Amino acid sequence: NAGVTQTPKFQVLKTGQSMTLQCAQDMNHEYMSWYRQDPGMGLRLIHYSVGAGITDQGEVPNGYNVSRSTTEDFPLRLLSAAPSQTSVYFCASSYSRGGKDEQFFGPGTRLTVL
Amino acid sequence: EDQVTQSPEALRLQEGESSSLNCSYTVSGLRGLFWYRQDPGKGPEFLFTLYSAGEEKEKERLKATLTKKESFLHITAPKPEDSATYLCAVQAGGGYQKVTFGIGTKLQVIP
Repeated sequence: NAGVTQTPKFQVLKTGQSMTLQCAQDMNHEYMSWYRQDPGMGLRLIHYSVGAGITDQGEVPNGYNVSRSTTEDFPLRLLSAAPSQTSVYFCASSYSRGGKDEQFFGPGTRLTVL
Repeated sequence: EDQVTQSPEALRLQEGESSSLNCSYTVSGLRGLFWYRQDPGKGPEFLFTLYSAGEEKEKERLKATLTKKESFLHITAPKPEDSATYLCAVQAGGGYQKVTFGIGTKLQVIP
């Protein structure tokens, strides 16, 4: 299993540009999430999905869109990039079965907005 | 609002010097408390999930324990390869709930 994969690893954008961060998992997990990680702050939830076709907002959703058309893929779209969105973005997939809960993270995308 | 506070922020140990990391939390109905390890430039790596007070889990030199207000990650005879940032997170119960993370403890183990 590849686990959780993210592309690209690095990206530089200009203010106002849009882009999509890709995330895929091959573990058939029902839950997927996007987080951002900034220095001095814990991982903060942007959006999450509890299954194909179902998404919801997390703690810091403004400026981001998500969709989940398949169990495997959960792309994150930046609509109009701003310097405040400079961060490291992590995608995660998780499951809750048989009294067991585990969450697995991808390697991250380091985004710089100029 | 769910909150997670980790201490200390940074810890420097000599190889073989055992110690503990603390995670204090407030959550409305704990579903699970998670520990992760994060190496520089990488995503968090899942270590443990704890569900109820009194529960303990072990993996190699790491042992996690849970009370009603805090969790400890005990590191026994650490090695330099244990150097990393250790993250604690909590999830409330009742359907899918978001996971709230602490800022982490940066551990450095010196040979």
